[in-house]
Amino acid sequence: GAVVSQHPSRVICKSGTSVKIECRSLDFQATTMFWYRQFPKQSLMLMATSNEGSKATYEQGVEKDKFLINHASLTLSTLTVTSAHPEDSSFYICSATPARGTYEQYFGPGTRLTVT
Amino acid sequence: RKEVEQDPGPFNVPEGATVAFNCTYSNSASQSFFWYRQDCRKEPKLLMSVYSSGNEDGRFTAQLNRASQYISLLIRDSKLSDSATYLCVVSNTDKLIFGTGTRLQVFP
Repeated sequence: GAVVSQHPSRVICKSGTSVKIECRSLDFQATTMFWYRQFPKQSLMLMATSNEGSKATYEQGVEKDKFLINHASLTLSTLTVTSAHPEDSSFYICSATPARGTYEQYFGPGTRLTVT
Repeated sequence: RKEVEQDPGPFNVPEGATVAFNCTYSNSASQSFFWYRQDCRKEPKLLMSVYSSGNEDGRFTAQLNRASQYISLLIRDSKLSDSATYLCVVSNTDKLIFGTGTRLQVFP
């Protein structure tokens, strides 16, 4: 089946620093990648939709200048959390879809971010 | 009102029991429906899609009632390995909307 990887799986950083998370589709080309955030005991919340070669579309309430998304190729999207604060500590999960208009999404294993 | 609502549980059931989860959604334009399973600190994994005609996959049966905007998941003969959080997911575009999940704990 389709495999999506994320790196790093876990990161601890100091308040004010920036963290980059990578999402890769390993055996297929992803026209669209999605970034989610999940706080403890809460549902996955979509942060943004990223299409290769174009700007990401952010969900309401998500600061695009704080969460920078780059989808430079059909197999890689990155999420950079800039000037991280403790309230940004969360589980960040990406997913990728092989074709536009499909509901099929393959999820990465997630990145647990802790900001101290 | 949340777009997708689920009883958070937990549902604590013995091995071999039958357990049912329910979910309601608010957007009548939703077109696709799924159940995902999420283990602690892991990513969600697709369990099954849900169709109006109902569908079954082994011990798992999913039902959709569009008129009532209601989705269900039935697990028969529960196994210890079924312990997880079950997420109800709906979509009307390429975006997935997740419920908060229902936690199931199966005990020996």
